[in-house]
Amino acid sequence: AQKVTQAQTEISVVEKEDVTLDCVYETRDTTYYLFWYKQPPSGELVFLIRRNSFDEQNEISGRYSWNFQKSTSSFNFTITASQVVDSAVYFCALSEARGSGNTGKLIFGQGTTLQVKP
Amino acid sequence: NAGVTQTPKFQVLKTGQSMTLQCAQDMNHEYMSWYRQDPGMGLRLIHYSVGAGITDQGEVPNGYNVSRSTTEDFPLRLLSAAPSQTSVYFCASSYKRTGGIADTQYFGPGTRLTVL
Repeated sequence: AQKVTQAQTEISVVEKEDVTLDCVYETRDTTYYLFWYKQPPSGELVFLIRRNSFDEQNEISGRYSWNFQKSTSSFNFTITASQVVDSAVYFCALSEARGSGNTGKLIFGQGTTLQVKP
Repeated sequence: NAGVTQTPKFQVLKTGQSMTLQCAQDMNHEYMSWYRQDPGMGLRLIHYSVGAGITDQGEVPNGYNVSRSTTEDFPLRLLSAAPSQTSVYFCASSYKRTGGIADTQYFGPGTRLTVL
């Protein structure tokens, strides 16, 4: 069965600390996609990154970086020099692609609430 | 582009009432879906559609109905509201690519529903 686990329910850090949000997934598909979304206190869901199962290169975007390791089925998200504006709920999600198309279904983890204190 | 829009933003219903949550997108996306978000459970898929006239059930479809008569609109109907349907509802859309490629789904701002 497909599953996404974000074991960290809540994380609290002080501004400028680095923080890593963990994501572990389960799937039997060989082709799949992983996503991270951010949900700030205002409630909307903001897309951060998409990674496909054939691309294990790490990605860096400003203070954000992602580490994808198929060997451990993990797709971890690191924020460097955290800021108060990073305070949000972060969701990891999995989408599988089967056959000639895909169902597009997203399977979400439970989310990690990050609080960055000044 | 307005992206994905949802109305209303907030709604309070009494048990047994029915209502329709509206969702529209102007990006010509084939794929649209509805999720509900409950504390500690992430988002769970209710129904989805891969194109006009085609819908299918997700993980938690009971108590909800959908139809897709146009590419732009994907309304979610609550047939007889129950307190267990108190939740935040998100609509999402994306391109539907073939060949095993999953495109990024973009979400609307959400509808906060309370059923008394």
